Amino acid sequence: NAGVMQNPRHLVRRRGQEARLRCSPMKGHSHVYWYRQLPEEGLKFMVYLQKENIIDESGMPKERFSAEFPKEGPSILRIQQVVRGDSAAYFCASSPGTGFEAFFGQGTRLTVV
Amino acid sequence: DQQVKQNSPSLSVQEGRISILNCDYTNSMFDYFLWYKKYPAEGPTFLISISSIKDKNEDGRFTVFLNKSAKHLSLHIVPSQPGDSAVYFCAASKAGNQFYFGTGTSLTVIP
Repeated sequence: NAGVMQNPRHLVRRRGQEARLRCSPMKGHSHVYWYRQLPEEGLKFMVYLQKENIIDESGMPKERFSAEFPKEGPSILRIQQVVRGDSAAYFCASSPGTGFEAFFGQGTRLTVV
Repeated sequence: DQQVKQNSPSLSVQEGRISILNCDYTNSMFDYFLWYKKYPAEGPTFLISISSIKDKNEDGRFTVFLNKSAKHLSLHIVPSQPGDSAVYFCAASKAGNQFYFGTGTSLTVIP
């Protein structure tokens, strides 16, 4: 049973480009969480999704950021018109439901140049 | 608003001794608590969890204690080993919602 798979592991984008981060949850997991870790900071919640539904997006910036978890395929975190401040490690986690631990992927390190 | 707090950014412990990592929370609705371990350039790894109906959960060298009245939990590692050196995050959730993480405590176990 493969763990949570995130790709790419490293992503470099120029200012103004779009970044797409993908997350394939563990088999049987229908809950996906995205977190961001800025340098020297902890994990900041961004969005919580279940299949085809956004449950909580209270941590998502209001502009340029969006997330989806379609019926088929990975969850996608999309950042449009990236800026230097978007440079961070983005982690995805999945769980089979509420009341269970979440398992994390290795993260995608986004660098905006 | 930081609902889960780890007030000690770092901790150093001699190998073989006990490591105690602390975590405080503000939301009395939290009913599930977890500890994660994180190495540089890797994702957090789940260590141990505890439900609010319990006050202690043990797994090998790791024990988590929950004091609901004080809104405090702690992770005890005994005996500490050099391989335990990492950043430890506590997290909390309430049913059906996201996990709230603390800012982490960097543990160094000195051989």
